Amino acid sequence: DVKVTQSSRYLVKRTGEKVFLECVQDMDHENMFWYRQDPGLGLRLIYFSYDVKMKEKGDIPEGYSVSREKKERFSLILESASTNQTSMYLCASRYTGGVDTEAFFGQGTRLTVV
Amino acid sequence: AQKVTQAQTEISVVEKEDVTLDCVYETRDTTYYLFWYKQPPSGELVFLIRRNSFDEQNEISGRYSWNFQKSTSSFNFTITASQVVDSAVYFCALLQGAQKLVFGQGTRLTINP
Repeated sequence: DVKVTQSSRYLVKRTGEKVFLECVQDMDHENMFWYRQDPGLGLRLIYFSYDVKMKEKGDIPEGYSVSREKKERFSLILESASTNQTSMYLCASRYTGGVDTEAFFGQGTRLTVV
Repeated sequence: AQKVTQAQTEISVVEKEDVTLDCVYETRDTTYYLFWYKQPPSGELVFLIRRNSFDEQNEISGRYSWNFQKSTSSFNFTITASQVVDSAVYFCALLQGAQKLVFGQGTRLTINP
């Protein structure tokens, strides 16, 4: 079974802090994604990566950056956390060998910025 | 532009009723893929189905069925004889360019006993 693991289930940080959200997958998937989920807005794509050190902006990249130094790990970085970044963050990965393969999701990290 | 719209924010029905969740998408690509995911109260998204743009056949899996119509850019999901366990948030998603996966706003479905 594919496993996508996010480092924390719940996180509370202070405004202005630098925050790292970590995601690890164990199936050698090329694609990895970071989404945030807010009520009424669904899942919005922040960044995605299609290979090591390769990344592309999603629909809402402002205030975020990412790092993918190893294939299995995709980190989301909030350089200076703000209260409007309080949200549920979801990581996903997918295999690109067949284009119609689905994405597998982690359990989510609920981040609260106070 | 790539976009998925799920106009129904919330739906509430009584158990055993049939219910249809709508999904409308926008894409300029001729090759694309559509997905449905379920998010139960536990929070983790569960894959339900994929469909590629060349395959317009409808699909049935038990009480679930999907209607893909390219002419109206829609990929609707029907649950027949709904059950309380079907209560969840359901997301439709579009994969374009084999890399970027975009989701709709989600529909919260509540099945009342």
